[in-house]
Amino acid sequence: NAGVMQNPRHLVRRRGQEARLRCSPMKGHSHVYWYRQLPEEGLKFMVYLQKENIIDESGMPKERFSAEFPKEGPSILRIQQVVRGDSAAYFCASSPDTVTGELFFGEGSRLTVL
Amino acid sequence: GQSLEQPSEVTAVEGAIVQINCTYQTSGFYGLSWYQQHDGGAPTFLSYNALDGLEETGRFSSFLSRSDSYGYLLLQELQMKDSASYFCGVYNTDKLIFGTGTRLQVFP
Repeated sequence: NAGVMQNPRHLVRRRGQEARLRCSPMKGHSHVYWYRQLPEEGLKFMVYLQKENIIDESGMPKERFSAEFPKEGPSILRIQQVVRGDSAAYFCASSPDTVTGELFFGEGSRLTVL
Repeated sequence: GQSLEQPSEVTAVEGAIVQINCTYQTSGFYGLSWYQQHDGGAPTFLSYNALDGLEETGRFSSFLSRSDSYGYLLLQELQMKDSASYFCGVYNTDKLIFGTGTRLQVFP
């Protein structure tokens, strides 16, 4: 059973470009979470999605950031017009339906904005 | 809102016991989780406490007191490979909110 798959693992963008980060949850998991981690800092919650629904986006910046989890295909975190402050590791996690307290994390996508 | 506090850094020697505390303020509390993260790696699940008391899993134990809004992670028989960051996280209604993390350094 494959784990949470994220790609790309590393992404370099210039200021003003767009970044698209993909996440395929573990098989059978319908809950997807995105977290951002700045160097030497903690994991900041961004958004919680279920298939075709955004459940909680309270941690998402109001502008330039969007997320989706379509009926088919991976979840996507999209950052438009990137700025240097967006440089971070973006982790996706998934969980099954029940609240078990356990999230399964992917290896992360490390975005560098030049 | 929510807030979690844990020490920023802890050091110990191999074979020792270390306790990492976590205090939290939140509404809609479901439980307290602990995760380990090595440098450059993904967070990995260690434990989850939904009820008061101590949960033991091998060398690691986790404790929760809901009335005190407090928990801790206890690591016994420390090994060099335990050097990592440890995050407590509060399960709040529909998401897991993490503390700022505790960096544990284990010395020989």
